Order: sequence, then structure tokens, then C-alpha cells
Amino acid sequence: DVKVTQSSRYLVKRTGEKVFLECVQDMDHENMFWYRQDPGLGLRLIYFSYDVKMKEKGDIPEGYSVSREKKERFSLILESASTNQTSMYLCASRGRTYQPQHFGDGTRLSIL
Amino acid sequence: AQKVTQAQTEISVVEKEDVTLDCVYETRDTTYYLFWYKQPPSGELVFLIRRNSFDEQNEISGRYSWNFQKSTSSFNFTITASQVVDSAVYFCALSPPNTGNQFYFGTGTSLTVIP
Repeated sequence: DVKVTQSSRYLVKRTGEKVFLECVQDMDHENMFWYRQDPGLGLRLIYFSYDVKMKEKGDIPEGYSVSREKKERFSLILESASTNQTSMYLCASRGRTYQPQHFGDGTRLSIL
Repeated sequence: AQKVTQAQTEISVVEKEDVTLDCVYETRDTTYYLFWYKQPPSGELVFLIRRNSFDEQNEISGRYSWNFQKSTSSFNFTITASQVVDSAVYFCALSPPNTGNQFYFGTGTSLTVIP
């Protein structure tokens, strides 16, 4: 079974802090994704990566950056956290085209 | 444009009733895949089914069944004899080619099964 592990289930940070969300997958998948989920808005893609050191902006990249130094790890960075970034963050990975995305358990991030 | 619409925001049914969750998609591609995911209260999204655009056969898995109709761009999901454990948010997603492996998710349907 594919395992996607997110470093924290719950996280509380303060406005202006630099926040790191980590995601690790164990299936040697090329593609990894970061989404945020908000009530009534569904899942919105922040960034995705199709290879090591490669990244593409999704629908809502503003205020975020990502890092993929190793194939199994994809990090989401909030450069200067703001209260409107309080949300559920979901990481996913995917192998070859047309395979499903596999999701981690999610991180509920609160910015105070 | 790629788009998935799940018009039903919330549905409540009494246990053992059947329920259908609607999914309508838009794409200009002739080759694509459609997916359904379940998100229980614990939060993780669980993959349920994948269907490719060339296969319009309906699929049944236990109490779950899926009806794919290319003519109406719909991929509906029916739960027969619903159970409390079916309570979750259900997402439909579209994966066309040449989009960097992106998925296009609907906004989800929250299903509550009342005992």
C-alpha cells in the first residue's frame, strides 16, 4: 500500500512565522501535490512537483513556496504566515499518468 | 476548460436508504480519467474508483455503484442500503492528459446517514 505521511496532524503558529509542512511518500512516485481544503471550496491546488527540484504553480500559490530536494519528500513553506492561511493542508503523491493520487492524513494549521 | 461540478453540497438520508451523488464534468479532451474519493471525518481522502473515458461500463463494488455517461458528461455514484459508516464527504475528480498530472476536484458532497 502507498503511504503518504504528513509530519503533523495539528499545528498552531503565529502570524509572521515561517512555517514548514513536510510530506513523505514511500512509493517512489514522480508526482507530488499540495492542496488546501476550506469549507465550501473543496480542494485547491497550491503547488505540485513532477520531479526532484521541479515545481509548478497550482491555482493558489500566493504566499507559499515549495521544496523538493529528494524524490520522496515535498515540503510546503509559508514564508510569513497570515491568518487567512488557517486551513486543512493535504499532501498527495501519484505515480504514472492516470493512476490515482494518494493522500496523507492532512495537517490542520491554525495561524493566530 | 476543465471543471467538475458537484451540485449537491449536503445530503442527509436515513440508514438503509439508497442515495446517488451527482458529478458533472467539463473537458475538451477525448482521453481522460475520472475518480471518486471518500473523506471520512478523520480527514484522509480515500480513493474509491477510477474510470477512463473509453469505458462506459457501469461498475459495482458491493453496495457502491458508478454510472458513467459520456453523452451527459456525468459520473454518478450510488450507495445502496446506506450505513452510518458511509457518512463522509465525497469528491469527484477529473484527470485529463497534458496538464502536469493535475486533478480537477469538485467541491464535494457531504453525506450524512442518520441511524
